[in-house]
Amino acid sequence: DAGVIQSPRHEVTEMGQEVTLRCKPISGHNSLFWYRQTMMRGLELLIYFNNNVPIDDSGMPEDRFSAKMPNASFSTLKIQPSEPRDSAVYFCASSPATYEQYFGPGTRLTVT
Amino acid sequence: GQQVMQIPQYQHVQEGEDFTTYCNSSTTLSNIQWYKQRPGGHPVFLIQLVKSGEVKKQKRLTFQFGEAKKNSSLHITATQTTDVGTYFCAGIMEYGNKLVFGAGTILRVKS
Repeated sequence: DAGVIQSPRHEVTEMGQEVTLRCKPISGHNSLFWYRQTMMRGLELLIYFNNNVPIDDSGMPEDRFSAKMPNASFSTLKIQPSEPRDSAVYFCASSPATYEQYFGPGTRLTVT
Repeated sequence: GQQVMQIPQYQHVQEGEDFTTYCNSSTTLSNIQWYKQRPGGHPVFLIQLVKSGEVKKQKRLTFQFGEAKKNSSLHITATQTTDVGTYFCAGIMEYGNKLVFGAGTILRVKS
């Protein structure tokens, strides 16, 4: 199994630009999670989906952030417009029904 | 809000010494999970504990879940340089459905 796949691995963009992060979960997993990690705030859950349906988006910082899961094998996290404070590592994780989470390699986002 | 507190924040040990990190929740947990993140890497699932008082071992790592299901610990015996990284606990609150991560303990090992 290839594990959770994320793209791009690195993204550098200018403030105000739109950023789209992509995730392919492990086949057969029914839950998908988006996290953000920074030195200051640690690992923060942004949103999670169960069977492609958003369950809890209370961690999404503000309206500039949106996430979709159009099917069981693909999810996106979009930031529009991006700001320097959005710079972080963004992880996608997927989980089977037994709750343990499998993280992707992450996308390191730098907004200048 | 629901919180999982983890201590210490940081520990630097000599290779061969033991290491322990502790996790405490303000509310009862239905389960506790432990993850390891190597520097520059992503969190990797280590183990899940579900039962009150449960103890599980993985080679030099011993995981415990408290009797009240509000605390947990990870103990590493005779640390090696390969143990360096950040160890996170994460719990699902009783009657909840969201995994809440602790802030992590950073382990550095001097050889």
